[in-house]
Amino acid sequence: NAGVTQTPKFQVLKTGQSMTLQCAQDMNHNSMYWYRQDPGMGLRLIYYSASEGTTDKGEVPNGYNVSRLNKREFSLRLESAAPSQTSVYFCASSADWGTQPQHFGDGTRLSIL
Amino acid sequence: SQQGEEDPQALSIQEGENATMNCSYKTSINNLQWYRQNSGRGLVHLILIRSNEREKHSGRLRVTLDTSKKSSSLLITASRAADTASYFCATSNSGAGSYQLTFGKGTKLSVIP
Repeated sequence: NAGVTQTPKFQVLKTGQSMTLQCAQDMNHNSMYWYRQDPGMGLRLIYYSASEGTTDKGEVPNGYNVSRLNKREFSLRLESAAPSQTSVYFCASSADWGTQPQHFGDGTRLSIL
Repeated sequence: SQQGEEDPQALSIQEGENATMNCSYKTSINNLQWYRQNSGRGLVHLILIRSNEREKHSGRLRVTLDTSKKSSSLLITASRAADTASYFCATSNSGAGSYQLTFGKGTKLSVIP
């Protein structure tokens, strides 16, 4: 049982390049989330999908877009990467929105030069 | 914006001792959750305590919640070297129908064998 799987695990980009971070869960969860974690900080919510077919902005959505491709998959896209987006990105899922524990992937470590 | 704030920021104890971490928050909550993060890994859910609960146990973990003081504590009894990790509290806020989880900056626990 894989849980939440994120790809890639590591990526280096140049400023202005674009890329998509992939996330898939196999727990039949309704809700999915994207967070970023910067050194010495807690996690900050970028976007979430409370249920299949819906997406909403979190605390720090600027510079990102998301797609809830189906119930299992939730992708995060950086259209034009900036050095300020250097971070560790975590995808998470939960059975329901807000009232259930979240299950996290192991993160994508993204560096933008 | 950070809702939960953990205290202390770092804690170093000997194996076998108890570890206590505290979390304070600012607004009304639906529930409060504690997570553990080992170095280089994603977060792992430990305990969820709802706003109408005062105490919960799970193995060597004990969580208390005082909504009048807007604070929670996590106690790890008989600590082991494997408990070395960062611990985060996260609050699910009850206002305006939003159940986003808001994370604190974490307490870094070191358990010395």
